Amino acid sequence: GQQLNQSPQSMFIQEGEDVSMNCTSSSIFNTWLWYKQDPGEGPVLLIALYKAGELTSNGRLTAQFGITRKDSFLNISASIPSDVGIYFCAGQLNSGGSNYKLTFGKGTLLTVNP
Amino acid sequence: DVKVTQSSRYLVKRTGEKVFLECVQDMDHENMFWYRQDPGLGLRLIYFSYDVKMKEKGDIPEGYSVSREKKERFSLILESASTNQTSMYLCASSLRGLLTYEQYFGPGTRLTVT
Repeated sequence: GQQLNQSPQSMFIQEGEDVSMNCTSSSIFNTWLWYKQDPGEGPVLLIALYKAGELTSNGRLTAQFGITRKDSFLNISASIPSDVGIYFCAGQLNSGGSNYKLTFGKGTLLTVNP
Repeated sequence: DVKVTQSSRYLVKRTGEKVFLECVQDMDHENMFWYRQDPGLGLRLIYFSYDVKMKEKGDIPEGYSVSREKKERFSLILESASTNQTSMYLCASSLRGLLTYEQYFGPGTRLTVT
């Protein structure tokens, strides 16, 4: 099925640094979402984006819906140790198919060194 | 806050056993989903349900069935467990309508089949 290309696969940063990750696709998406998953837990929804060009913040997190509708970016400012986890992007394809299904990226593993 | 709970966090079953995974959500969501998550493969949709007694196959339904007799409860059934069904199983729910893509996940059940 359709895959989202999420990069980088992993990041190792120092506390206080800013982080940027992204997802790209060859297909147009109507909706982009960003999730965070702590070890051994389920993903938690961070930000949802519904319009091309939309920029939305949630605390130190900022996400953007790319203007081409084929990509999305997540930035984390001033990282702290509890930011550690796997960050997933997910999107809903503009395919005319099922309106319930999401396509998920494979995740970015973030490690923050105190 | 949306709360999605799963009946077990860890489960160990033998090959050939019938396995029931239960999921309950308390936010009156119409849609419910079952995913499995494997390293390197990301989240893959097994089945979803958009109403009581209604279900649709996801991307990997083989070897699984589901039951939704009440709006708040969605069960995943492994009729005859096999070792290749060892995985993390995640349940999710969402509203119907404009926010239908915002899926909220439970904590997951890590199933080991020996």
